[in-house]
Order: sequence, then C-alpha cells, then structure tokens
Amino acid sequence: SQQGEEDPQALSIQEGENATMNCSYKTSINNLQWYRQNSGRGLVHLILIRSNEREKHSGRLRVTLDTSKKSSSLLITASRAADTASYFCAHSGGSNYKLTFGKGTLLTVNP
Amino acid sequence: NAGVTQTPKFQVLKTGQSMTLQCAQDMNHEYMSWYRQDPGMGLRLIHYSVGAGITDQGEVPNGYNVSRSTTEDFPLRLLSAAPSQTSVYFCASSYRSGGGQETQYFGPGTRLLVL
Repeated sequence: SQQGEEDPQALSIQEGENATMNCSYKTSINNLQWYRQNSGRGLVHLILIRSNEREKHSGRLRVTLDTSKKSSSLLITASRAADTASYFCAHSGGSNYKLTFGKGTLLTVNP
Repeated sequence: NAGVTQTPKFQVLKTGQSMTLQCAQDMNHEYMSWYRQDPGMGLRLIHYSVGAGITDQGEVPNGYNVSRSTTEDFPLRLLSAAPSQTSVYFCASSYRSGGGQETQYFGPGTRLLVL
C-alpha cells in the first residue's frame, strides 16, 4: 500500500496550546495536502504544499515538507475547542491524479 | 454554487441488493472520485474519472462500477451489496493540473449499511 501515515493517531491538548501532527509517505510526490474532518462530516481542505516548497502558512496553520525524509508536519497554533477534528494528510505523485490519504490524527482540544 | 452533492445521505440494503449512489458537482471540475471510509483505515480510493467518458480503478474497486457521461455527474453502482461494503462513501471533485492532484472538494457523504 502507498498509504501515508499520520502520527500520532490521537492527540489531546488544552485550549491555547499548539498541536503538531506528522505525516510520512513512501513515494515521490507532486504535492501534499492536509484536510480536516469534523465528526460525521465530509473532509475540508486546509492547505496544499508543493514538492518544491518547504514551508507554508495559512492563518494559525503552518505546514512543513521535507522531501528527503518523505515527511510533513502540520502545526496548529493557539488551538481552540472548535479545532477538535480528525486531520488527514494526502499526497499526490506522478501523472495519475490519484490522491492517497493517510489514516488520520484525531485531535481533541479541551476547553 | 452547491459544490459537491451526494444522495442519499443514508441507506440500508440487504445482501445481494443493488443500488446507485449519486454524486454531482457544479464547479465544472474535470476530476471526480469516490472514496470509502472505514474506522481506522482512512479514505481509500474506489474509482476515479479525469473527464467525461474516462474512468479508472482506484485501490479498492471490486464490487463497484462507475460511469461518467457528463462532467457534472459521477454515480457509483453497487451491483450486489455485501456486508463488507458497509461504510461511509465520499465523492470528491477537483481541477486537473500538470502539478498533480489539486485541492479536492468533498461531498457530505453517504452512510451505507448492508445487512
């Protein structure tokens, strides 16, 4: 399987703390994406980082990409209870237009 | 724009029954795909399409058929439902680009229970 892996599988923090989630993958990629899924809902795109980029920011989100280690991290700063959700990384490589998802990290932010 | 819509939201089937999960998008996206999500497994790609008339298999295609007669619609057919197909099904769409798969927009999902 070319499925990526998120680490940790579950993370519980207090409101105001930072949350860091990691993602590893096995193949060469064109880009890597992070998605959020609230319980019982569809996935919502958060951020896309291309293979020639090392870091990207969007609001309270910071994503890094290390293609030599085939890994990425998602940092959520000053977390809020509303950030409670599952977070998935997904990578795209080659020209087949397939997006391969990891198994996700369940983030719980306690008020 | 409605984005990506899926019907039905919930369905119960008996083993051996057939059904079609509907997916439509109004964003003129070339690429559409179907995923299933099972506990602890993340999302797994079933079938995808890069344009009208063009479909291909994903990671777990067995037991499912698709067709793409228009840009807007991408139905998923279960020919003979099995309990192993109990899952949550998500449809997604995106633009095509030369830089790999772009941002995917997901529908709300269809929860399927096969008894």
